[in-house]
Amino acid sequence: KQEVTQIPAALSVPEGENLVLNCSFTDSAIYNLQWFRQDPGKGLTSLLLIQSSQREQTSGRLNASLDKSSGRSTLYIAASQPGDSATYLCAERNSGNTPLVFGKGTRLSVIA
Amino acid sequence: DTGVSQDPRHKITKRGQNVTFRCDPISEHNRLYWYRQTLGQGPEFLTYFQNEAQLEKSRLLSDRFSAERPKGSFSTLEIQRTEQGDSAMYLCASSARSATNEKLFFGSGTQLSVL
Repeated sequence: KQEVTQIPAALSVPEGENLVLNCSFTDSAIYNLQWFRQDPGKGLTSLLLIQSSQREQTSGRLNASLDKSSGRSTLYIAASQPGDSATYLCAERNSGNTPLVFGKGTRLSVIA
Repeated sequence: DTGVSQDPRHKITKRGQNVTFRCDPISEHNRLYWYRQTLGQGPEFLTYFQNEAQLEKSRLLSDRFSAERPKGSFSTLEIQRTEQGDSAMYLCASSARSATNEKLFFGSGTQLSVL
């Protein structure tokens, strides 16, 4: 059974700090992995998608990495800002015809 | 607005009533997904369509739940005889089926409260 775990469940950091969010998955045959942001009471916003053949993707202050051998992905946020406060979810799929399986998310608070 | 649209945003109903939600995907997307999310949890997969064909249904989708996508465009999710345990955020997502870079785009969700 596919399982995605995100640690920590919650994180609070001062503004300006660089931080890493962790995601682990049980699938050795990962197809792709996607990171999302969710603001309270809202839908999900796609941040980055890493294909199985890739090791990392970057968008602005965000960098996501994928290590299939260890079953881990990390989301690195540089120079955090209060506007980054949200829940960050990772999700993976093991084929092109199976749905994304989500972790429970990490709730991030960036304190000004 | 060219994103995924869901209607209504909020629905309050009494136990035993039927409810229907609508999702309008991004126009060129041929895949449409329904997920359910409860507080503090990640979204859980319910079902998905490729064009008008319903390709997979989760075991979470009891007989009281039915989803349709009649013309391969918008989709509806109906819950019959609602129960308090159905209270959740119902999320719709769409994507353009391609290779390993298939990316899902989510709507804002429908928050269901069953009293």
